[in-house]
This record gives sequence, C-alpha cells and structure tokens, in this order.
Amino acid sequence: QQPVQSPQAVILREGEDAVINCSSSKALYSVHWYRQKHGEAPVFLMILLKGGEQKGHDKISASFNEKKQQSSLYLTASQLSYSGTYFCGTETFTGGGNKLTFGTGTQLKVEL
Amino acid sequence: DVKVTQSSRYLVKRTGEKVFLECVQDMDHENMFWYRQDPGLGLRLIYFSYDVKMKEKGDIPEGYSVSREKKERFSLILESASTNQTSMYLCASSSQARGYEQYFGPGTRLTVT
Repeated sequence: QQPVQSPQAVILREGEDAVINCSSSKALYSVHWYRQKHGEAPVFLMILLKGGEQKGHDKISASFNEKKQQSSLYLTASQLSYSGTYFCGTETFTGGGNKLTFGTGTQLKVEL
Repeated sequence: DVKVTQSSRYLVKRTGEKVFLECVQDMDHENMFWYRQDPGLGLRLIYFSYDVKMKEKGDIPEGYSVSREKKERFSLILESASTNQTSMYLCASSSQARGYEQYFGPGTRLTVT
C-alpha cells in the first residue's frame, strides 16, 4: 500500500517555506525522500532511519515520527531550483531484501 | 561518478510483441529495482532483485518478468506487450545495507500501439 503524501501540489514564491507530509499504514525501517525534475530521473535527498539517524542534503531537513509512521520534509527559503515533484519512499524488509514503496508525489513550483 | 544506464530512452512496440528492457549499473550494488511511473500514481515497484538470480515481486508484477544473470545487469521482460503497459519505466540500484539511497537510471518511455 502506497504511503499518502500531502499536499498533492503547492506553488510558492521564491523565499517562502513549505512542508510536505508522508504517512504510512505500515511499520517502517526508514523513510527516503527524492526529487524529480521534469524529464529527469528521481534524485536522492534524504534518508531518515528508525532510531533517529539522518543522512542527506544540507539545505533540506526532515523529521520522522516512528510511532505515527509519518515523515515531513521541510523546504526553507525556497529557490527556483527546488521546483519538481517530491516523492517519499517507505522502506520495509521483505525477508529477501529491502524495498521502497513510493507515494504518489507532491508537485512543487517555485515562482519569482 | 555512479551510473545506472538503460538500453533505450524511447521505445515503440506493437501489441503482443515480447519486449526487453535492459538496465546496467557500475556501482557493484546488490539490489536492483524496476519501477513504472504513470501520472498521478507515482513510482510503483514491479520487481526487484537482491542478488544474482534472486528476485521478488513488487506491487504490480502482473504481465512482467525479470532476469538477473549477472550482478550488474537486470532485465525487465514484457512477455506479450499490451497497450496498458505504455508507461515510463525506471531502473534503480542500491547497496544492500540499510540506509543507502537508490540511484535511478534515465528511464525508458515505452509506447505500445
């Protein structure tokens, strides 16, 4: 079952902040965040691991509430280059390996 | 520089044809994945592989099969292509250790007519 992302789309003016939320019905090992620009492949932004460890981008932050199985991505002082579709991916262990289940994405557009 | 390559950027096939999509990674990753991406549905996992000759079904495996004979190569096979398999197909790879990101290829836009 895909995690639920909100909002589905958001338009910002340059310099404004945004929060993208990701919620899962399953227990999670970790949450990944990726950004995809139009016509390009998704690119890794951040991983949040159960237990509090984080790995990722200096200018983007995120939180992971393990009990609620929710994660939020915080984009501050947005720039034009932040435009794209953001996906969260929730990691589960299948016995053979770890797989990611992605949400349906949040389209972010930053305007002047 | 890490790389995941896919055999074609664009592909047009007829209904009923057998279609092979190839993916190669040069990072010695154990895990490889095939996704399809459709508007409004995000990235959906078709199959993944965590070792040579090992595979697991993802969320939408029907109508697809995979092959992994070498560590660096993961193939997606459409046994008999149908129009509802028209989509963008993305391959990805990752280390097997927990907490490592997936690297994506550029994608193959497949059109089945």
